[in-house]
This record gives sequence, C-alpha cells and structure tokens, in this order.
Amino acid sequence: SSELTQDPAVSVALGQTVRITCQGDSLRNYYASWYQQKPGQAPVLVIYGTNNAPSGIPDRFSGSSSGDTVSLTITGAQAEDEADYYCTSRDTSGTHWVFGGGTKLTVL
Amino acid sequence: DVQLVESGGGLVQPGGSLRLSCAASGFTVSTNYMIWVRQAPGKGLEWVSVIYGGGSTNYADSVKGRFTISRDNSINTLNLQMNSLRAEDTAVYYCARGGGGYSYGYYFYMDVWGKGTTVTVSS
Repeated sequence: SSELTQDPAVSVALGQTVRITCQGDSLRNYYASWYQQKPGQAPVLVIYGTNNAPSGIPDRFSGSSSGDTVSLTITGAQAEDEADYYCTSRDTSGTHWVFGGGTKLTVL
Repeated sequence: DVQLVESGGGLVQPGGSLRLSCAASGFTVSTNYMIWVRQAPGKGLEWVSVIYGGGSTNYADSVKGRFTISRDNSINTLNLQMNSLRAEDTAVYYCARGGGGYSYGYYFYMDVWGKGTTVTVSS
C-alpha cells in the first residue's frame, strides 16, 4: 500500500484563492478524487480525474496534477467552503484505496 | 433519486459481531463497484472494503479476515459482516458507489454516499 500526504490545515481570506495539495507515489499512476466534508455530514465528491466536477459543484473548484502531487484549487473561496477536504486514490498495487489525512480549510 | 441508506450500527462488545446494510435506490448495486469507508471519532476517512461488479472483493489490512463484504442483488443492498470487533473499529461507517474511467490516466471516484451508521465497540 501507499500513503497520501496532505497539510493538516490551511486558511484563506474570503474571496481569495487557496490550493490544497495531496502527495503520494500512487498519484504517478492514478488520478485522485477530492471530497468535501462538513461537520456531521457525509463526504461529497467535488473533483475527480483530470479536472472533472460532478453537477452541482461550483466552478470555483478545480483540480490539477503534476508528478506525485495533485491539487484542489478554490478560486474565490466562500464561507460555505469551510470544511475538511480529503484526497483519495488507488494505492501503488492498484488493489486498495488510500485516503489522505485530510485538510481543514478555514475561511477567514 | 439516487440514494444510499445505511443501517445496522450500534453498540457491541469487543469480540462481538455486527452486520451493516446499505440499501440502494435509483441504481443497481451489482452494476457498480461499491465501497465501505469508515471514520473514527475526530479522525479522517479510512477505506475499508470494495466489491466489484463481478463479485471480487478487497479489504484493508486492518479488517482483512474479520470483515466480509457482500451484495444481495434481490433487494439491491450492500452488506458488511463485521466479526471479532475491536475498540479501534469504533467509527461511522459509510457506503459509497464507485465509478471511474480513463482519460490521460486512470481515475476513480465515489460519487454517491450514504449518511453513515455508527458502530461503537465497547464493554
């Protein structure tokens, strides 16, 4: 198996741009997907693949990838974006899934 | 509406067993891969198990040999049989529908999640 590493916490001023990163060896072989989780709620898929968002996800959310690192960018962060964000991907064996430890985003 | 609803959580003593169910509506569980994910109190998400459309399964090392994932196609339900439960299995358990494809690389995602069911292992 392999690990995915995320910064534990990130903050952004209201209306500014923030990037949340996720690093791991398996990301050289598989794209990650990103999930938003608010307190007491189930995770919600926000980005998957090269840069795809499910319907209903605001277009201020975008994704990118380079080498062993993927990023989730929120352009013009809103108060409602304050949440925990998790990346996930298959592991290097391709048989298991791994989650990053999560990043707590605070919107100031 | 596409929906997943978990049930079966509760309080169980260490060494005990519990069976979780996840009822699907709006799609067929046997045509997708289905995943269980758990979240211990105050902790992050942890992948637990997967069952593919063809029926093959995989488990996290932490639950292998103790948990069994299965489907009941007749009632469009995903199950998780949990045996030999430990305190560290205490968590909210979510079921999720999986998807994926290939576009300049393989991608996978979990696009539909249930609200979760809480399992507490304690004496």
